[in-house]
This record gives sequence, structure tokens and C-alpha cells, in this order.
Amino acid sequence: QVQFVESGGGVVQTGTSLKISCSASGLDFSNYGMSWVRQAPGKGLEWVAFISFEGTTTYYADYVEGRFIISRDNSKNLLYLQMNSLRLEDTAVYFCAGDTLGGQGTLVAVSS
Amino acid sequence: DIQMTQPLSILSASVGDRVTITCRASQNIGNWLAWYQQKPGKAPKLLISEASRLESGVPSRFRGSGSGTDFTLTISSLQPDDFATYYCQQYDNYSLTFGGGTKVDIK
Repeated sequence: QVQFVESGGGVVQTGTSLKISCSASGLDFSNYGMSWVRQAPGKGLEWVAFISFEGTTTYYADYVEGRFIISRDNSKNLLYLQMNSLRLEDTAVYFCAGDTLGGQGTLVAVSS
Repeated sequence: DIQMTQPLSILSASVGDRVTITCRASQNIGNWLAWYQQKPGKAPKLLISEASRLESGVPSRFRGSGSGTDFTLTISSLQPDDFATYYCQQYDNYSLTFGGGTKVDIK
């Protein structure tokens, strides 16, 4: 069964940076495109970023383009999200996903 | 981007009711659709993938159907543990998109 363990979240101030991670198991990670999805408090789920299986192609949602960087380490089955210039509206639980979600998420709280 | 629409944001039902939740995609996504259940303060739980494949451990009262643009999640006999919010999600495209959710609450 596919499982993801997200980590690295925390409370940070606006304008600062944070890098979160996702450890994947139960899937052929190095052959899977991966995404980050987030859920702000009391809101629905929204896609944030995608990286191709080999890591050469990335796509971002408009609201994080230029600030967030998705990356991966296929030798360790790890997915990352480097978040820069954080804003209050980036406060959310962040989940990693292959085709679907499969973890508990990690909370990123941005305060002023 | 592919838009996912769940027409009902709230559905009121009683224990034992048959409940149907619908989801529509803005374009043909084949069978690349998942359903989740989410309770307050918890992560979404995957119930169904590929439109109709029940995930391991999910009770058989949950059933997914549909293909193309129109999909349905049916709970055959609503149980107390089923009061929650349900989301659909397409994965036909790299830009995963989700419906707005349907909250099943007590009538």
C-alpha cells in the first residue's frame, strides 16, 4: 500500500523560507511523477507543484510560481518542497501525492 | 486545468440511508478519479481509486461508479462513522484537481 510521510513543517514568519520533505513507500517512486497538495484551515484541497519521475520537468500553481521549488531524490525515495518568501496565505497542511494522497501531511503556519 | 465540481456542498441524511454524492469533470478524465473521506482535524482518507476500485480496508458499503466526466460515490447504508466530508479528485493531468467537497451531516 502506498504511504507517504511528510515532515519538516513548523511556524515561520512572513518572508522567510522552509523546506519540507516527503518519504515515500509502496510505489515505484523513481518511475512516478509526484506532486505537493495543500489544504488551508477550513478550506479545500489545492494542487501546488508537480515534478516528473526523473526530476527534469516541473510545474507550479500560479500562486507559488517563482517562490516554491519542488525537487526529488530518487535514490532515497524522497520528495522536497523548498518554500521561499512565505506569505500568510501559504499557511496550510501540505501533502505529497503520486496519483493520490496517502499521508498525514505537515503543517506550515506562517505568522506576521 | 481540469475543473472538478461537486454540486452539493452539504447533504443531510440519516443512519441507514442510501447516500449518493456526485462529481463532474470539465473534460473527459477516463477512470482517473479518486474519492476521499475527511473528518475534522484529520487527513483525507483514500476510499476509492480508478473511479471504482475500493481501497484495502474500506467497507463494502462504499461504491464508486462512472467514467468520462460524471462520477458517483454511493454509500449503501449510512453508518454513524460515515458523517464526514467527501472529496473527488482527478489524476488524469499532472495538475491534480479536487472537487469542493460534500459534507454529509446528520438530518
